[in-house]
This record gives sequence, C-alpha cells and structure tokens, in this order.
Amino acid sequence: EAGVAQSPRYKIIEKRQSVAFWCNPISGHATLYWYQQILGQGPKLLIQFQNNGVVDDSQLPKDRFSAERLKGVDSTLKIQPAKLEDSAVYLCASSLRVLDNEQFFGPGTRLTVL
Amino acid sequence: DAKTTQPTSMDCAEGRAANLPCNHSTISGNEYVYWYRQIHSQGPQYIIHGLKNNETNEMASLIITEDRKSSTLILPHATLRDTAVYYCIVRGYTDKLIFGTGTRLQVFP
Repeated sequence: EAGVAQSPRYKIIEKRQSVAFWCNPISGHATLYWYQQILGQGPKLLIQFQNNGVVDDSQLPKDRFSAERLKGVDSTLKIQPAKLEDSAVYLCASSLRVLDNEQFFGPGTRLTVL
Repeated sequence: DAKTTQPTSMDCAEGRAANLPCNHSTISGNEYVYWYRQIHSQGPQYIIHGLKNNETNEMASLIITEDRKSSTLILPHATLRDTAVYYCIVRGYTDKLIFGTGTRLQVFP
C-alpha cells in the first residue's frame, strides 16, 4: 500500500515570504495530521482533520499558519509570512479513524527560512 | 508537556537485545504507553502500545511494570537499521500524541 506522500521534500525561503506544503494521505484514511518538528525536538501537532473538518487546531499559530483539507483527501499547510523560527520539518500523518492507535507518517518537508 | 522521561542516548551491539527504558510515574489508569521511532530523515513509525499487560509484535516487546510507572521497549536482536530516535508516549484513548525528545539508539557493528 502506498504511504503518505508529501511535497516538496525541501524548501528554502526568505523571511516574510509565503510557502505551502502538500500532503496526500493513505487512501481511505479519514484522519489527517500536520506536525511541526524543530531540530532536536519531537514532533508537535499543529492541526488534526477528520475528513474535511478540523478536530484540533489549538497549537496552530493562526496569525500566520493556515491549513485546509478540501474534499477530505489531500491537504495543504500554508505559512504567510514566514519567520525564522518556522524553520523545521513539517510532517503529515494519517490514520484510518481518529482514535486509531497507529498514525502513518510521511517523510516530511524540511523548511529553511533565511 | 510530555509525561515521560527517557535517557537521551543509548548504544547497543548489533545482534544483541536493545532495552529502552521509560519512566511515566504520573500515568493514569486509562492512559496507554505508546512507542514510536524515527529513523534519520524519515517520519516517525509506530512500534507498539500497551495498557498494563506485556505486549509483543513482530517488531518489539513492551514490558510494563505492575504499578505502570515505567516500561521497557525490547528489540530482541538489534540491527544497524534499528538506529533511530525512540519515543515513549503516554496517551489517553482520545488524546493526541505528545512527543518528547526520545532516546537516540545507536546500534554498532
């Protein structure tokens, strides 16, 4: 079975620019997650979708970050404008149901903000 | 904040068992212990989880103490491919995953 796909794998931008990341979850998985992983730390949940509705976005910096999951499949995460401290790996994960034990993670997008 | 304490790093010889400890002294009765690992430049990978009984799957064994305040993840025959950061996570059934900084396991030849 195909895993979680993410693109791009790497992105370098200057501060105050905008950037978007794309995620395609495993087919049939209703729940989708975006995590931020800063170097040396564990992943931190930014937002969780159940189908195309938001379940939890309490850790999402909503002044600059936005995410959507149109049609309950693919998802995009956007940062506008980017700050230096946004440099991190952005991981997308999916699970069949919201209470599933196992989340399947994609390879991540490494963002560098200069 | 993460509810677990893990050593920062550990070494293990290839072919030997790797025993990764985790302290979770404040765990409550309905919280599970999960283990994920993250190989360099990859996303985390689920390994195993348990409530109070010991669990085993094709990847590892999870030993949880009777008082549930600590647990050990056992990789019975470590290989070089097991070199990764291992995260121990305490999670209620409806809670999100909260990752700490994990244990960096280095398997050497």
